[in-house]
Amino acid sequence: ETGVTQTPRHLVMGMTNKKSLKCEQHLGHNAMYWYKQSAKKPLELMFVYNFKEQTENNSVPSRFSPECPNSSHLFLHLHTLQPEDSALYLCASSQDADRNNEQFFGPGTRLTVL
Amino acid sequence: GQNIDQPTEMTATEGAIVQINCTYQTSGFNGLFWYQQHAGEAPTFLSYNVLDGLEEKGRFSSFLSRSKGYSYLLLKELQMKDSASYLCAVNGDYKLSFGAGTTVTVRA
Repeated sequence: ETGVTQTPRHLVMGMTNKKSLKCEQHLGHNAMYWYKQSAKKPLELMFVYNFKEQTENNSVPSRFSPECPNSSHLFLHLHTLQPEDSALYLCASSQDADRNNEQFFGPGTRLTVL
Repeated sequence: GQNIDQPTEMTATEGAIVQINCTYQTSGFNGLFWYQQHAGEAPTFLSYNVLDGLEEKGRFSSFLSRSKGYSYLLLKELQMKDSASYLCAVNGDYKLSFGAGTTVTVRA
């Protein structure tokens, strides 16, 4: 595997379900990011981890819970979601969050909340 | 925060040139990125500008004017595969903020 991978690619869940999104980067980077992309809207930054420490929580509701066990893996735990949370969730990585490095994106997880 | 504006849609003919403009307001400017995103795929890096002027990469060029808060992405010799969304992203205080994207449709 190369680059940034995300699983699952598609997820349908009910409002009472609990699910997790997984992201893995094979680039040796130290920073990882979660973004939300809704139709016709800008990418919204959700969380930033730099050297495994969370450095940014962009006022994200607590029904989204990130986890970064090491610099290569990032999870987004989901529970009690709302239909308006349906979107494409993109993971990205970069060399260091405190520099203006290019971010490399994964293919995203298309989430539908029923 | 950052305000980033770019047109929603543009249409052009194969072989033509298209210029996508992006205006921004930010504090702590650390550079401007352009990404390409095909439908259902990940955004991929196209260009990076941190100093004023034009950066050329094959058929794609990107221009930056920091004093005007303005950038453009120039796509030359358009091909059908260039049909995609083009995202302008500004690094302000080491936080990357994205515009809503410009959907470019290339017609034969």
